[in-house]
Amino acid sequence: AQKVTQAQTEISVVEKEDVTLDCVYETRDTTYYLFWYKQPPSGELVFLIRRNSFDEQNEISGRYSWNFQKSTSSFNFTITASQVVDSAVYFCALSFRDDKIIFGKGTRLHILP
Amino acid sequence: DTAVSQTPKYLVTQMGNDKSIKCEQNLGHDTMYWYKQDSKKFLKIMFSYNNKELIINETVPNRFSPKSPDKAHLNLHINSLELGDSAVYFCASSQLGAAGTEAFFGQGTRLTVV
Repeated sequence: AQKVTQAQTEISVVEKEDVTLDCVYETRDTTYYLFWYKQPPSGELVFLIRRNSFDEQNEISGRYSWNFQKSTSSFNFTITASQVVDSAVYFCALSFRDDKIIFGKGTRLHILP
Repeated sequence: DTAVSQTPKYLVTQMGNDKSIKCEQNLGHDTMYWYKQDSKKFLKIMFSYNNKELIINETVPNRFSPKSPDKAHLNLHINSLELGDSAVYFCASSQLGAAGTEAFFGQGTRLTVV
C-alpha cells in the first residue's frame, strides 16, 4: 500500500519555539518523491520542498529544515524559532512515476503569540 | 500572473443542480489534476489528465465529468449535485516527464450544496 501518515493532527507551540512535524510514508516503489505543502488560513496550497528517494541529504532553508530517513521511511519537517505567520496546515505528500500525489491528512500548526 | 487559476472561487448551489468549475494554467505543464478537500482538510485526487487525455480516475462518481479542451485547461462539471459534494476543489498542474516535479495548485473553489 502507498500511504502517508501524519500522526500529529494538531500542534500548538508558543512563538519562537522550535517545532517538528512528523511524516511517515509507505511504498513498495524504489523511485518516489516526497513533498511538503503549506496551507495557510487563506486556503491556498503552497509548495515548500521536494525530495527524491535517492537523495537523503537533509535540507535547510532559512528557519525550515527537513530530515529524510529512508531507514525509518520518514520525512520530518522542523521549523526553528517559529513565528505566528507559520500557523497553517502542513501536508506531507508522496508521488510516483504516474505523477499521482498522495497527501497525508495534514497537521494543523498553531503558533501562539 | 497567476500560474493556475480556477473560477469561481465560491459556489453555492442547490441539490440537484449542475455546475462547472473552470481551471487554466499558464505554466506550459503537460499534466493537470483535480483534488477534493473535505471538511477535515483531507486532500484526495479525483482526476489526472496528461495532454488532454485522462490518466487517473480515482473511483469518482460518474456525476463528475472532467473535460480538457487543451492541455492548458481542465474543467470539472458536476451533475445532480448532492450535499456530500460540498468541499473545496483544487485544480493543479505539473510537468509530466519530470516525475516528481511539484504540483502547482489553484486557489481552490469552495462548493457549498444546500
